[in-house]
Amino acid sequence: DTAVSQTPKYLVTQMGNDKSIKCEQNLGHDTMYWYKQDSKKFLKIMFSYNNKELIINETVPNRFSPKSPDKAHLNLHINSLELGDSAVYFCASSRGTGGNQPQHFGDGTRLSIL
Amino acid sequence: DQQVKQNSPSLSVQEGRISILNCDYTNSMFDYFLWYKKYPAEGPTFLISISSIKDKNEDGRFTVFLNKSAKHLSLHIVPSQPGDSAVYFCAASHLYNTDKLIFGTGTRLQVFP
Repeated sequence: DTAVSQTPKYLVTQMGNDKSIKCEQNLGHDTMYWYKQDSKKFLKIMFSYNNKELIINETVPNRFSPKSPDKAHLNLHINSLELGDSAVYFCASSRGTGGNQPQHFGDGTRLSIL
Repeated sequence: DQQVKQNSPSLSVQEGRISILNCDYTNSMFDYFLWYKKYPAEGPTFLISISSIKDKNEDGRFTVFLNKSAKHLSLHIVPSQPGDSAVYFCAASHLYNTDKLIFGTGTRLQVFP
C-alpha cells in the first residue's frame, strides 16, 4: 500500500536518449515535487506543483519537463540525456504548501547515463 | 552556497546511549525546520519538525532543539537503537518561500550493539 510510488526504480540509458519517470501518490495530497540527489548526496528541489499548477521551477535545464495530468500524478520527462543527469530522482507529495506540511517521498529512481 | 550544513558526515553510537546530530543554517529567514531519516534504497521519511517560534519539540525518543541566535539545531535520539541506523537529513523552509525545502547533505548514524 505504497503512498508515493515511482517507476521505474532503475533506469539505465545512453546519452542523447529521452526518458520519463512516473510518480503517483495515493495520499490525497495537493502538492507534488521532484528532487534530484546528486553524487554528493545533495538533495535539491527541481519542481513543485500544487493542484496541477507549477509553483516552483528551480534553475533546471529546459530538457527537464514535468507534467501533472491530475493531482495524484507528477511525471518527469527528460530530453537529450547527458552524463550529468546521472542521479537519484525522488518524487514527493504534501498535503499543502508550507514548511509545516511534511513531505512524503517515494523510494527514488536511480538514473544512470552511459 | 549551502544554506543548510551538516558538518558531520557520520556518527557512531552505542545502543542505549544518546545520539546527537547537528545542523547549522545561514539564512535567518528560515522559519521551519525538519528532520528526515533515510534508509538505503528508500526515500527520506519525515521524523520531526520545529517552528522557529519554539526552541524544543519532542516526540517519543526524538527531540529537536533550536537555537536561533546561533542558527543551530540538533536532533537528540534517546535511547539509540540499532534500527535508528540511517542517514539523517536536516531541512529548512523559508518564511516567504514555504514550498521549497533546503536540505543538508546528511549525517550517517550507526548504532552498534
